[in-house]
Amino acid sequence: AQSVTQLGSHVSVSEGALVLLRCNYSSSVPPYLFWYVQYPNQGLQLLLKYTSAATLVKGINGFEAEFKKSETSFHLTKPSAHMSDAAEYFCAVRSMDTGRRALTFGSGTRLQVQP
Amino acid sequence: DVKVTQSSRYLVKRTGEKVFLECVQDMDHENMFWYRQDPGLGLRLIYFSYDVKMKEKGDIPEGYSVSREKKERFSLILESASTNQTSMYLCASNPTGASGANVLTFGAGSRLTVL
Repeated sequence: AQSVTQLGSHVSVSEGALVLLRCNYSSSVPPYLFWYVQYPNQGLQLLLKYTSAATLVKGINGFEAEFKKSETSFHLTKPSAHMSDAAEYFCAVRSMDTGRRALTFGSGTRLQVQP
Repeated sequence: DVKVTQSSRYLVKRTGEKVFLECVQDMDHENMFWYRQDPGLGLRLIYFSYDVKMKEKGDIPEGYSVSREKKERFSLILESASTNQTSMYLCASNPTGASGANVLTFGAGSRLTVL
């Protein structure tokens, strides 16, 4: 079975500081991995995805994530936080060793950016 | 741009009422999904459909049913609403593809309150 763990339900950073949101997955084979963002009162939108090509994936708005098989991790980073980054972030996995077409999501991390 | 439209943004219903949540997508996607989003729990899959009249249970199908009579429309039905079904409901769709990494496009959500 596939699962996703996001460490830290709330993360607070200062504007201009590094953003690090943690995601660990469990899957018997390397999965497809996604990060989605949800701004207040909106639906989810894709930030980036890993599909077994380059392990360092660049997404929108300056975010990137690195797939580390040995650590079963896919942490999201951004070098310098902006006020507009305040949102909830979800990591999701699709394991290719099952017939399941749906993504499994983590519990989410709410990012606060302090001025 | 792919658009996923959920018919009701906010609904208030009474315990025992039958509730219909409608979702329409305009890009001919084969797959459609219903998730519910609760604080601290992330998104949990209720049902999904990979073709007209086809459906599969997700992780929390109890108390829900679905209908997909046309490719573009996927309805979530609460036969007898209960207070523990108060939640945000998110519809999503994506195409079927060889890679399996097709991105989900989400609607804006339907916030249901059951009194």
